[in-house]
Amino acid sequence: GAVVSQHPSWVICKSGTSVKIECRSLDFQATTMFWYRQFPKQSLMLMATSNEGSKATYEQGVEKDKFLINHASLTLSTLTVTSAHPEDSSFYICSARRGGVAFFGQGTRLTVV
Amino acid sequence: AQKVTQAQTEISVVEKEDVTLDCVYETRDTTYYLFWYKQPPSGELVFLIRRNSFDEQNEISGRYSWNFQKSTSSFNFTITASQVVDSAVYFCALSERGNAGNMLTFGGGTRLMVKP
Repeated sequence: GAVVSQHPSWVICKSGTSVKIECRSLDFQATTMFWYRQFPKQSLMLMATSNEGSKATYEQGVEKDKFLINHASLTLSTLTVTSAHPEDSSFYICSARRGGVAFFGQGTRLTVV
Repeated sequence: AQKVTQAQTEISVVEKEDVTLDCVYETRDTTYYLFWYKQPPSGELVFLIRRNSFDEQNEISGRYSWNFQKSTSSFNFTITASQVVDSAVYFCALSERGNAGNMLTFGGGTRLMVKP
């Protein structure tokens, strides 16, 4: 069964609105979670590392104010895409490690119109 | 800095053929982990295997096998008697022990198309 659950699996939003994506670790605690972005036919690019109880660590080039990350509990991290624009349309996927293996959520396909 | 290269962007085979997906990595760490993931059209990444840098034993799991060679910094993946359901994008990834939280660095992926 799934180890990491991500919701929603797809979302369409209007330009200028914000979208929240949830990532939950199931049956285990994850002090660290990772958020990736994937453009069509490309690899996964790490956006940020989500740390429970502290600020997220963002990769170079990722706007902190644009992609808000909150890791409020040991099983939940959220990514909020603020003031979304069409160029933010992408596939977002989170992961958490259990037993030394990174397990991934189902991914969220975001389309901004 | 760590890097993973999957030179084959797309491979097309006919069902029942064997196919090998190449993966070459770069790292300065002596302790690291290598992974293979499968990404079917649905999008989720499915974990296939993890190998640590001290274990060079090849592994076989059903029709899947992996060949880890530190001398050439390669971790190749072979599917025997491929099936249409094997069609997906396959990613090789590297995790260095020294990385904060052990983040993964992915290769560019290889899109495998198995035709009936």
